Amino acid sequence: QKEVEQDPGPLSVPEGAIVSLNCTYSNSAFQYFMWYRQYSRKGPELLMYTYSSGNKEDGRFTAQVDKSSKYISLFIRDSQPSDSATYLCAMSAPTGNQFYFGTGTSLTVIP
Amino acid sequence: GAGVSQSPSNKVTEKGKDVELRCDPISGHTALYWYRQRLGQGLEFLIYFQGNSAPDKSGLPSDRFSAERTGESVSTLTIQRTQQEDSAVYLCASSPGTRDTQYFGPGTRLTVL
Repeated sequence: QKEVEQDPGPLSVPEGAIVSLNCTYSNSAFQYFMWYRQYSRKGPELLMYTYSSGNKEDGRFTAQVDKSSKYISLFIRDSQPSDSATYLCAMSAPTGNQFYFGTGTSLTVIP
Repeated sequence: GAGVSQSPSNKVTEKGKDVELRCDPISGHTALYWYRQRLGQGLEFLIYFQGNSAPDKSGLPSDRFSAERTGESVSTLTIQRTQQEDSAVYLCASSPGTRDTQYFGPGTRLTVL
């Protein structure tokens, strides 16, 4: 079983839609949760960084962590064509040096 | 200031050749990570450097892979006797410390023929 599972998509939505991206994980020790956005042929860039459970909002983006279900989500409101990218979830535990990444979900926002 | 830079951006090599990939981290960042990203796959951890501590090499897939970093500066990832399955994008990231935000470079796209 992979440490982190993420539906690869692809996901295609019309402009203005609400997008929901999700990851599940198996390691209950994970405490740090991140969402990265990766445009084609570019390195990932950090969107959201959350510690432990709860919600975090930044502009059109909201990250949710449900540790009891081992499930994290990223919501994008009023999606824009510029949001078209691959979204990667990542997580790590308080001990150890590794970050564990999902495979990424490819999102296309159609104008 | 400048972000993380990597060179070359693209590398095509023949099976069996050695390749060296370079990463210039953000100045002052003590932590440096190398990842491999195969097509349609997530990022695969390779190696981690933190300051002058011994590196965490637990992600290196075979002894053909090695990496060095001098202090908190440039790092090189070397792949010896390359195989076709080594074809991937190799990403480097640096951060101010462990579990801080990672800043990624654009990657080196390696193709082994």
